Amino acid sequence: GAVVSQHPSWVICKSGTSVKIECRSLDFQATTMFWYRQFPKQSLMLMATSNEGSKATYEQGVEKDKFLINHASLTLSTLTVTSAHPEDSSFYICSGRLAGGPGEQFFGPGTRLTVL
Amino acid sequence: AQTVTQSQPEMSVQEAETVTLSCTYDTSESDYYLFWYKQPPSRQMILVIRQEAYKQQNATENRFSVNFQKAAKSFSLKISDSQLGDAAMYFCALYSGNTPLVFGKGTRLSVIA
Repeated sequence: GAVVSQHPSWVICKSGTSVKIECRSLDFQATTMFWYRQFPKQSLMLMATSNEGSKATYEQGVEKDKFLINHASLTLSTLTVTSAHPEDSSFYICSGRLAGGPGEQFFGPGTRLTVL
Repeated sequence: AQTVTQSQPEMSVQEAETVTLSCTYDTSESDYYLFWYKQPPSRQMILVIRQEAYKQQNATENRFSVNFQKAAKSFSLKISDSQLGDAAMYFCALYSGNTPLVFGKGTRLSVIA
């Protein structure tokens, strides 16, 4: 299957700082990428959908000014958590979807963010 | 609105036995796809199996097979000859209408040696 990488795999930061997470589709072009947040023992919660070259579409309740998403190319999307606070600590997962495909999404390995 | 329901929060199976995970869904679209994803302790989401709604034949991938009942909007996953490595969270997901995947809440599967 198609491969998606995420970097970093884990990050610890101080409260008030910003953190950038990169998501790359390594062997396919992802016209659409998705960002999820996952709490322990729960399902994935969709944060936003981004299409290459367009502004991201955020789910209800997700602050777009806090979670900045950039999908600058067909292989790279970034999520920046601005002015991070301890409540932003979570597991963040990205995924990419092939254009014209059957809808399956290929997932990155996730990034564990801890805000002190 | 599209929904996916997994009514079994936890399941367990003896090694080498067979287990079935349940999933029901709802969509008004006629063209859609259904998926089962596995999330082991590493938390990497792995696609297990895919079913196209227009296909009557149930999808099969090695030890994994589905029972797709379109009229009942049911999509269960059967794991045969269960192995220790099958222990994971399993998520049922629905895709239609160029929207993000809709996930169920998941079923945690334990495999007992």
